[in-house]
Amino acid sequence: GAVVSQHPSWVICKSGTSVKIECRSLDFQATTMFWYRQFPKQSLMLMATSNEGSKATYEQGVEKDKFLINHASLTLSTLTVTSAHPEDSSFYICSARPQGGITEAFFGQGTRLTVV
Amino acid sequence: EDQVTQSPEALRLQEGESSSLNCSYTVSGLRGLFWYRQDPGKGPEFLFTLYSAGEEKEKERLKATLTKKESFLHITAPKPEDSATYLCAVRPRRDDKIIFGKGTRLHILP
Repeated sequence: GAVVSQHPSWVICKSGTSVKIECRSLDFQATTMFWYRQFPKQSLMLMATSNEGSKATYEQGVEKDKFLINHASLTLSTLTVTSAHPEDSSFYICSARPQGGITEAFFGQGTRLTVV
Repeated sequence: EDQVTQSPEALRLQEGESSSLNCSYTVSGLRGLFWYRQDPGKGPEFLFTLYSAGEEKEKERLKATLTKKESFLHITAPKPEDSATYLCAVRPRRDDKIIFGKGTRLHILP
């Protein structure tokens, strides 16, 4: 149980284009989903927290107009990187917390974004 | 400020050589402390949640313990497949967020 699927696993895009990453909870409903960014050999940096049906809460320093988050249902959240630039190249990971008072969150497999 | 500090940053052990990883935390009310394992190029895999001081949990060669200020992840007779980065994280009582430490990179030599 508690499987989170993230798609795509990797993507290469041209500078100036937009990329959408999907995060799905496959066997549970998630009231809260999180988006992280991770640089090589570094820990997870929280970008934003999203609750179903509400606007996402972004961490300080994260541009909300550049990283658009939509949490339209209890099983799906999307992160769109708009007008991507090479410095946006990174490993993006989502996690989801099940409903019902569960404390821990479960992670997707991550998406490697390369902007050329 | 809520904070998680893990030590050591990296640890190399011989196969079968037991050791412990440390996670020190400061948080304004602990809702839960978590341990995750992360392999290169993959998302973290959930291992344990600990809720209160004195609690212990085990899974195969891993055992997690919790005090009011720190948690330990004990690894007994590790095997090369236990090589990974181990992440500690806390969830404050007042918050939705999970705050991560920087991790310990564990390498088990055959």
